[in-house]
Amino acid sequence: KAGVTQTPRYLIKTRGQQVTLSCSPISGHRSVSWYQQTPGQGLQFLFEYFSETQRNKGNFPGRFSGRQFSNSRSEMNVSTLELGDSALYLCASSPLGRKSAANTEAFFGQGTRLTVV
Amino acid sequence: GQQVMQIPQYQHVQEGEDFTTYCNSSTTLSNIQWYKQRPGGHPVFLIQLVKSGEVKKQKRLTFQFGEAKKNSSLHITATQTTDVGTYFCAGYTNAGGTSYGKLTFGQGTILTVHP
Repeated sequence: KAGVTQTPRYLIKTRGQQVTLSCSPISGHRSVSWYQQTPGQGLQFLFEYFSETQRNKGNFPGRFSGRQFSNSRSEMNVSTLELGDSALYLCASSPLGRKSAANTEAFFGQGTRLTVV
Repeated sequence: GQQVMQIPQYQHVQEGEDFTTYCNSSTTLSNIQWYKQRPGGHPVFLIQLVKSGEVKKQKRLTFQFGEAKKNSSLHITATQTTDVGTYFCAGYTNAGGTSYGKLTFGQGTILTVHP
């Protein structure tokens, strides 16, 4: 099985711009979560999608949004970029079901390294 | 909100020495997972612990889940240079069934192994 694929791998944007990151989960996985990783804050949960619905959301401003398509692929968007948004953005897919809330491993993609200048 | 603290932040060992990282949650966990991230890489799942007091072993790695399901540890016996990386614990809290897909990660322990 192919792993989780994230594109692009690297991105440089200017303050004030917006960016869209893409994630293709492992085939058959319907749950996709997004995390932001920075040296200072570590790995922080952004949101989780299942069957095109956002089921859970972390404590990030509204500039961070996401969506999931019918084929389970997911995108996240960051508008009005700030310098502090520079980070590694990781997508993780898991075989979580509609009712299950936990207890399955997360398969992470390689991440998108976003640099805001 | 839920917090997961992990110590130490850094650990430097000589090859062959043992290594332990500890994880403490502010709330009772449904389960805890451990991940390893190599330099420049992404987190890779190592193991999941679910039961109170559970102990699991993977070759030189021993994982424990506390009786109260609020703490956990990872112990590596006789470290090797291939063990280099950051080890994260990550917990799920099934708070009213609203924890879908949300892992709360510890800050990680960066392990350096000197040959």
